[in-house]
Order: sequence, then structure tokens, then C-alpha cells
Amino acid sequence: GAVVSQHPSRVICKSGTSVKIECRSLDFQATTMFWYRQFPKQSLMLMATSNEGSKATYEQGVEKDKFLINHASLTLSTLTVTSAHPEDSSFYICSARVGGSSYEQYFGPGTRLTVT
Amino acid sequence: AQKVTQAQTEISVVEKEDVTLDCVYETRDTTYYLFWYKQPPSGELVFLIRRNSFDEQNEISGRYSWNFQKSTSSFNFTITASQVVDSAVYFCALSEASGGSQGNLIFGKGTKLSVKP
Repeated sequence: GAVVSQHPSRVICKSGTSVKIECRSLDFQATTMFWYRQFPKQSLMLMATSNEGSKATYEQGVEKDKFLINHASLTLSTLTVTSAHPEDSSFYICSARVGGSSYEQYFGPGTRLTVT
Repeated sequence: AQKVTQAQTEISVVEKEDVTLDCVYETRDTTYYLFWYKQPPSGELVFLIRRNSFDEQNEISGRYSWNFQKSTSSFNFTITASQVVDSAVYFCALSEASGGSQGNLIFGKGTKLSVKP
């Protein structure tokens, strides 16, 4: 099956710094990638949808200037958490949708961000 | 508005018991997809099944089975003869196929299943 990787798997950073998370589709091209956030013991919530070569679409309540998304190629999307604060500590999961498919999408293993 | 409801927050069973996880969804689309995912403590989502709205056939895969009932907007998941390794959080999700949707998933709140030996 299609494989999606995320890097790093875990990151601890200090408050005020920025962190970049990479999401890669390893064996297929993804025209659309999604970024979800999951707080402890809660469900996954969609943060934004990114399409290759265009600006990301953010869900209501998600600050686009804080969560910068770049989808520069068909196999890579990045999420940068700028000026991170402890309340940004969460599990971030990306998924990639195969172009032109019937909504088949594949999830990365997730990145656990802890802001101290 | 689209919504997925998993009313059971936590379920605890003893090994070898059968257990059913409930999922009720809401959508105005006539074409949509329903999913079940397993999330073990490691956090990685494990895909279990995808069902489109036009296929109401029940599915069985080993100890897992799914019951899709459009009349009640439900997509329930049953594990037969549960095992300790089944312990995880299980998410039901919906993806709409309307023109404005790009296929993102709407997740239920999840059901935490604990299977005790």
C-alpha cells in the first residue's frame, strides 16, 4: 500500500521557537495533503488542507500565520509551528490523498510535539 | 452539517468476548465514504475499512465485521472473540464526496476499547 512518512516523530522545543514537520508520500504523488491535530484523549481535528502549488485552506479557528503550510511538491508538505507555546503541544498527523482517486488517503505515523 | 457520533467513550471487555462499537453519522451528501481506524498507544492510525455509500453489504474480515445501515445512518463495528491486542482507540470517520469537499475526514470522538486477559 501507499506509504506516508513524517519527520520528526517526536520533538521537544522551547516556548517561542519554531518547529517544522515534514510529511512525505514515499511511493505515490499526492495532490492533496491534510494536516490534523489530536490533543490527548481527543479526536483528530482537521487543521488545513494543502494542494500542491497553491495556498493551504485553513479550518475555522486555525491561525494561518502561526501554522505555516507549504506544499511545494507532489510528495512533500511541511507544517511549521511558529513561535510555539505550551498549548501547541499536541500530536500532529498528516495524510496524503492520491490524485484523482476515490478519496483514498493514507496517514503518516504522526509527530508528537511538546513545547516546554 | 456533517457529523460522526461514537456514543461509547470507553468499553472494557474480557478476552474472548464479542464487542460492538457504534457509529452514527450525519451527512446531506448522497455520495460519501465511511471509515474505521484503529489507534494503538503508539499513535499511528491503522486503516481497517472503507465503505462507500452505495455499498450496503456487510463485510467480514477475520474477527472483524461491519454492519452498514443507511436507514439508521449507522456503521457499526464488531470484534468477535476479542483479544488483548485489540485494545486501542477506534475511530469512525466520514468523508463527503460533494463538489466542495476535498475528501478530508470527519472523525468521531473515538471509543477506547480495553480487552482484559
